[in-house]
Amino acid sequence: GAVVSQHPSRVICKSGTSVKIECRSLDFQATTMFWYRQFPKQSLMLMATSNEGSKATYEQGVEKDKFLINHASLTLSTLTVTSAHPEDSSFYICSAQRGTFEDEQYFGPGTRLTVT
Amino acid sequence: AQSVTQPDIHITVSEGASLELRCNYSYGATPYLFWYVQSPGQGLQLLLKYFSGDTLVQGIKGFEAEFKRSQSSFNLRKPSVHWSDAAEYFCAVGAGDTGNQFYFGTGTSLTVIP
Repeated sequence: GAVVSQHPSRVICKSGTSVKIECRSLDFQATTMFWYRQFPKQSLMLMATSNEGSKATYEQGVEKDKFLINHASLTLSTLTVTSAHPEDSSFYICSAQRGTFEDEQYFGPGTRLTVT
Repeated sequence: AQSVTQPDIHITVSEGASLELRCNYSYGATPYLFWYVQSPGQGLQLLLKYFSGDTLVQGIKGFEAEFKRSQSSFNLRKPSVHWSDAAEYFCAVGAGDTGNQFYFGTGTSLTVIP
């Protein structure tokens, strides 16, 4: 099956700094990538949808200036949490999809962000 | 607005027993429905999906789910649970113009006892 990786798997940063999370589709080209946020014992919440070469579409309530998403190539999307605060601490998960909606979304293993 | 409800936060079953995980959805159009399993340290894995057609869907690892439009439900079942099935299970509805914007339920944690 298709593999999606995320890097780093865990990151700790100080309040006020920025942190970048990478999402890569290792063996396929992803026309669409998605970013989710998961709180402990809670569901995944869709943050944004990004298509290669175009601006990401953010879900209502997600600050686009705080969570910068770049989908520079068909195999790489990045999420940058800018000026991080402790409330941004969470588990961030990406997924990648090859083509149409009928294609499966493949999920990365997630990145645990802790802001101190 | 679309939403997904998984009423059972946690379920414990004995190995070999049958399993049913409940999922109810709210969506204005014909839904695309999915069940995923999440194991620690691993990405979500698709168990099965429903787009259209036969309302009883077969998935991997012996799982199946039945779409019932009248009840707005998409319950996941397995006739005989294995210890390796212990994990977190998420139901999701695919929304948006292309149906690939997923909205997940809160998940059901499954414990399997010997």
